[in-house]
Amino acid sequence: DTGVSQDPRHKITKRGQNVTFRCDPISEHNRLYWYRQTLGQGPEFLTYFQNEAQLEKSRLLSDRFSAERPKGSFSTLEIQRTEQGDSAMYLCASTLLPSTDTQYFGPGTRLTVL
Amino acid sequence: SQELEQSPQSLIVQEGKNLTINCTSSKTLYGLYWYKQKYGEGLIFLMMLQKGGEEKSHEKITAKLDEKKQQSSLHITASQPSHAGIYLCGADIRSGGSNYKLTFGKGTLLTVNP
Repeated sequence: DTGVSQDPRHKITKRGQNVTFRCDPISEHNRLYWYRQTLGQGPEFLTYFQNEAQLEKSRLLSDRFSAERPKGSFSTLEIQRTEQGDSAMYLCASTLLPSTDTQYFGPGTRLTVL
Repeated sequence: SQELEQSPQSLIVQEGKNLTINCTSSKTLYGLYWYKQKYGEGLIFLMMLQKGGEEKSHEKITAKLDEKKQQSSLHITASQPSHAGIYLCGADIRSGGSNYKLTFGKGTLLTVNP
């Protein structure tokens, strides 16, 4: 399967701990997005990368959040000092511009902060 | 208020019945995407519409973008239990396409009873 993959699929952590998620986009896709989805809501944009450059961050992304895409391939999203309000599904999507602007999503990482 | 409004929020139909889901924006839609999501999983891309009046079909699902490009509908003909899930519309409604980040509706939960 050559789709978008995310790891881990589920993460349970205690408040105050740091967590890191990984996203592997579709091979050769130059743009990568992170979204967050809470129960009963649609996904909300967090940040995106064009190759290795992080071009935009949402106001939802507090200082405790950091994302990287060091070689323009996989990306990581780290949350420091997790809070219960961080509990959500974290979704990654990728696309190949300008060939297509359709975003293909991964299966998501479900984070539960106790 | 939500920038993309979906209706209905939930829908229960008998297998074999037709149904329609609507997505309305207060701004011009520069690209409208329909996704399907199973509970706790990622988003599966269904269709993308860009031009006013455009209509696309895949198997028993048809999506349309109205002429004024502010509303889209998703129609399922002869529904099957496999159609059950959450249908999400997403669109770039802020910048006319420069960063392609998507704003989503809250989704429509479809249940198909056998």
